[in-house]
Amino acid sequence: SQQGEEDPQALSIQEGENATMNCSYKTSINNLQWYRQNSGRGLVHLILIRSNEREKHSGRLRVTLDTSKKSSSLLITASRAADTASYFCARYPKGGSEKLVFGKGMKLTVNP
Amino acid sequence: KAGVTQTPRYLIKTRGQQVTLSCSPISGHRSVSWYQQTPGQGLQFLFEYFSETQRNKGNFPGRFSGRQFSNSRSEMNVSTLELGDSALYLCASSLEGGGSWGEQFFGPGTRLTVL
Repeated sequence: SQQGEEDPQALSIQEGENATMNCSYKTSINNLQWYRQNSGRGLVHLILIRSNEREKHSGRLRVTLDTSKKSSSLLITASRAADTASYFCARYPKGGSEKLVFGKGMKLTVNP
Repeated sequence: KAGVTQTPRYLIKTRGQQVTLSCSPISGHRSVSWYQQTPGQGLQFLFEYFSETQRNKGNFPGRFSGRQFSNSRSEMNVSTLELGDSALYLCASSLEGGGSWGEQFFGPGTRLTVL
């Protein structure tokens, strides 16, 4: 079963607004990554944040990580219609097998 | 550099048949991972190959198998197809794979439909 979930599962906003997506997980991690998937296509890596980092930026994206709460958030500022996609958080768990574990994803719709 | 390529992009099979999917990683990447994506179960890890060896395996039955060639290209095979195997199969490559816990580069996927 998936470890952790994105929240909310779906979000609909207007162009120009900010979008915040949250991800929770249960076990300790080496790092956490966010990916985007446009309808039925492959995933695109957005940003990677290591367990010893608290915040990271990339363009209009800001990711925070709170390891004490086992949660991360992805903020997209000044959203565009092209940001419409599904967003996934994925974690490399600490210990155990070395595989990337994905959440179920969150559907973001940005209305023009 | 060319991205990860997967062939074929679409496939229709009937129950009981077998299928082979192919993945060519980014040049220089030695790790290839395979994932199954379905609406109900989401993205699930199938297995990872590194330098022609299966390094990690997910919780899938033995009908799902894979291999990696010396040029890092990988194939996965599903035998005795079931309706529930209908899914988008994604391949991802990375430089070192799980050991470096780095980003993965995904191909466009193969959409498999089992009738």
